[in-house]
Amino acid sequence: EAQVTQNPRYLITVTGKKLTVTCSQNMNHEYMSWYRQDPGLGLRQIYYSMNVEVTDKGDVPEGYKVSRKEKRNFPLILESPSPNQTSLYFCASSLSVNRPQHFGDGTRLSIL
Amino acid sequence: AQSVTQPDIHITVSEGASLELRCNYSYGATPYLFWYVQSPGQGLQLLLKYFSGDTLVQGIKGFEAEFKRSQSSFNLRKPSVHWSDAAEYFCAVATRGLAGGTSYGKLTFGQGTILTVHP
Repeated sequence: EAQVTQNPRYLITVTGKKLTVTCSQNMNHEYMSWYRQDPGLGLRQIYYSMNVEVTDKGDVPEGYKVSRKEKRNFPLILESPSPNQTSLYFCASSLSVNRPQHFGDGTRLSIL
Repeated sequence: AQSVTQPDIHITVSEGASLELRCNYSYGATPYLFWYVQSPGQGLQLLLKYFSGDTLVQGIKGFEAEFKRSQSSFNLRKPSVHWSDAAEYFCAVATRGLAGGTSYGKLTFGQGTILTVHP
């Protein structure tokens, strides 16, 4: 089954404790992207990747890191999480940005 | 920097009525434009997109949108709304990223418009 898998789905953690949210897709998509969704602000792109080893900043990259060492995986890293990073996070993939994106089920992060 | 504005936070229509959701964008070059829909607890689904050519584009579920360069708008329309259309709708623009190049990978979304449909 074609899918984008995010883990974990839910996480409560504390300020400063490094965490990684994994994202994996099985559709051989070149384009992958991370978003955060906050009420009243819509979706905001954090980082995206056009292909392996090619990443670029979205609108809100501060406090986040990503890597794209293999085509299927695009982890999101919070080196020192802060409470303002409490949000719902979505990973998505597609053949390219102008093709329909497949979204993961979301990861709800709470940083205390 | 590019931006997308959806002036209406919440719209309520009766089932069977027509619908228009507004979207204005700001970008110095030719944008790629999209409309996405999100049902509660779900990810986003692409309704339609515009890159070039005919400024009136057709999408899934009976939706259409018209690109008006002079007004920097890309409004979404549907002639007759169904109760199942109740959801949140997002307009988005794809632009070139900070790394430069010719690839349109940076995606900026509007704040969203919540659509409520009355029976």
